[in-house]
Amino acid sequence: QKEVEQDPGPLSVPEGAIVSLNCTYSNSAFQYFMWYRQYSRKGPELLMYTYSSGNKEDGRFTAQVDKSSKYISLFIRDSQPSDSATYLCAMSLYNTDKLIFGTGTRLQVFP
Amino acid sequence: SAVISQKPSRDICQRGTSLTIQCQVDSQVTMMFWYRQQPGQSLTLIATANQGSEATYESGFVIDKFPISRPNLTFSTLTVSNMSPEDSSIYLCSAQGANYEQYFGPGTRLTVT
Repeated sequence: QKEVEQDPGPLSVPEGAIVSLNCTYSNSAFQYFMWYRQYSRKGPELLMYTYSSGNKEDGRFTAQVDKSSKYISLFIRDSQPSDSATYLCAMSLYNTDKLIFGTGTRLQVFP
Repeated sequence: SAVISQKPSRDICQRGTSLTIQCQVDSQVTMMFWYRQQPGQSLTLIATANQGSEATYESGFVIDKFPISRPNLTFSTLTVSNMSPEDSSIYLCSAQGANYEQYFGPGTRLTVT
């Protein structure tokens, strides 16, 4: 079993839709959680990071962490074609530890 | 946030040669990391680049193959030595921010023929 599981997609949605991207993990000791967006042939861009359970909002993006269920989500409201990319979840045990990445979900938002 | 640049952005190399990739951060950071992303795959950590001491390598990666330097708090290099086609990949460096988040460079796309 992989430490971090992520549905690879592709996920195809119409412009304006609410998108839900999810990851599950097996190690309950993970403490830091991040979401990255990666456009083709580019490096990952940090979208959201959070330390604890609960919700964190930034513009159209909301990150949700449920440590009891070992489940994290990223919600994108009013999705735009420019949101079309691969979304990677990542997590770490300690504040100086390596990141463990999910395999990424490819999202396509069509006009 | 930290802004990270990498050189070269891409290269095509012959089997048996070596390539050194440079990573520059626009501010001083304590932690820098090197990752590999193989085609269609997610990111795998190669090593943590420690300033003033040897890098810490992950299982499956060795110093002879991937020597790393970290001469100061803004710069690091990764060398891919004695390359084979299996080393064809994207190599990414990252730097840790003030809240322990990581920022990534644009990557170096390496093709070994």
